[in-house]
Amino acid sequence: EPEVTQTPSHQVTQMGQEVILRCVPISNHLYFYWYRQILGQKVEFLVSFYNNEISEKSEIFDDQFSVERPDGSNFTLKIRSTKLEDSAMYFCASSEAGDSSFDEQFFGPGTRLTVL
Amino acid sequence: QKEVEQNSGPLSVPEGAIASLNCTYSDRGSQSFFWYRQYSGKSPELIMFIYSNGDKEDGRFTAQLNKASQYVSLLIRDSQPSDSATYLCAVAGGSQGNLIFGKGTKLSVKP
Repeated sequence: EPEVTQTPSHQVTQMGQEVILRCVPISNHLYFYWYRQILGQKVEFLVSFYNNEISEKSEIFDDQFSVERPDGSNFTLKIRSTKLEDSAMYFCASSEAGDSSFDEQFFGPGTRLTVL
Repeated sequence: QKEVEQNSGPLSVPEGAIASLNCTYSDRGSQSFFWYRQYSGKSPELIMFIYSNGDKEDGRFTAQLNKASQYVSLLIRDSQPSDSATYLCAVAGGSQGNLIFGKGTKLSVKP
């Protein structure tokens, strides 16, 4: 069964460093998302991406964040200068046709980011 | 600010009982609603979605939606210890379907 994959599973970095989190969405999906979940808190939407551009972003997704689809398979989230409060689990998700808002989003296993 | 509220629990039920999980949402214009299950340290996994007022059944799970009351619920019949997890209620919030999640209700099913 097709699945969303994410690498690495755990990333440890020093405050101020740049990190890139990688995702491979399901191959025929067109809509891609990043969410984060701080330990013990709710899952929060960061950004949605369609047709090689950002569709929507939350207020969390400030200038420190960027997303890219560098090739036909990968979808990346970059955090330019990490802060302690960026420590969280980051989930990538994809859906076949997100514009209906009725379409299931499939979540990847997540990358746990720890900022020291 | 669109909000989704859930009782954080924990909700403890004996094996074989019915577990009832509730959720309210703030945006009256919301149209699609989702229940995800999340095991500790894992990613959310979709259990059910519902768009229309009323009940929707899938196996041991029944989702109920009342748009007038802005209320969504999930019933789990014949609860099993393997159902022990956190259940997340989510509402589609934007034009691209981004999800707004509640904090989740932790369910514990005791053998």
